[in-house]
Amino acid sequence: DIQMTQSPSSVSASVGDRVTITCRASQGISSWLAWYQQKPGKAPKLLIYAASILQSGVPSRFSGSGSGTDFTLTISSLQPEDFATYYCQQASSFPPTFGPGTKVDIK
Amino acid sequence: QVQLQESGPGLVKPSQTLSLTCTVSGDSISSWSYYWSWIRQPAGKGLEWIGRMYVTGSPNYNPSLKSRVTIARDTSKNQFSLKLSSVTAADTAVYYCTRDRGDEDSVILDYWGQGILVTVSS
Repeated sequence: DIQMTQSPSSVSASVGDRVTITCRASQGISSWLAWYQQKPGKAPKLLIYAASILQSGVPSRFSGSGSGTDFTLTISSLQPEDFATYYCQQASSFPPTFGPGTKVDIK
Repeated sequence: QVQLQESGPGLVKPSQTLSLTCTVSGDSISSWSYYWSWIRQPAGKGLEWIGRMYVTGSPNYNPSLKSRVTIARDTSKNQFSLKLSSVTAADTAVYYCTRDRGDEDSVILDYWGQGILVTVSS
């Protein structure tokens, strides 16, 4: 299985801050990467797929980049509703695997 | 608006079979455009893909669970189901059903049910 790692595991930030989360795959996955947002007690929500394509309805302050083994999720100006845990997922090979998550909380 | 809803027992005894159903509205599980997946998440932990099915009925399973998992569908009710046999406490988790907009080689989960907590305990 392809192993996914994320850094940092948690980040404290303020409203308006720019936040960047990194995801790394144990082997190359081209652009087959998705990002999800999960709030406490809720199901994950798809934010980005194919590394950089914004899912319909997701605010443009979210962006994704990268290919191969290294990827980033950037929130350009953190909003109160963005405090959540973010997961990356590789979609390159079976079984699909997820990163351990990055929790974004309030500074 | 696509909606998915999990249902089933919230408590299962060790060694028994966990059985869940996902009812889909706003889309058809017979669509050639999507797959239908199950994901689970132990409390405070990460996400694990269990498996998925397609309109052809051919499922894909996570090799780590393959010997214990069956995913099936009931097209007349627009439902798909998960059975996990010989459960242990390690199978205690929130189970999600999802729509998968990926293709035969990829999984991209665009709609999720609210999730159902299943506890394995005697």
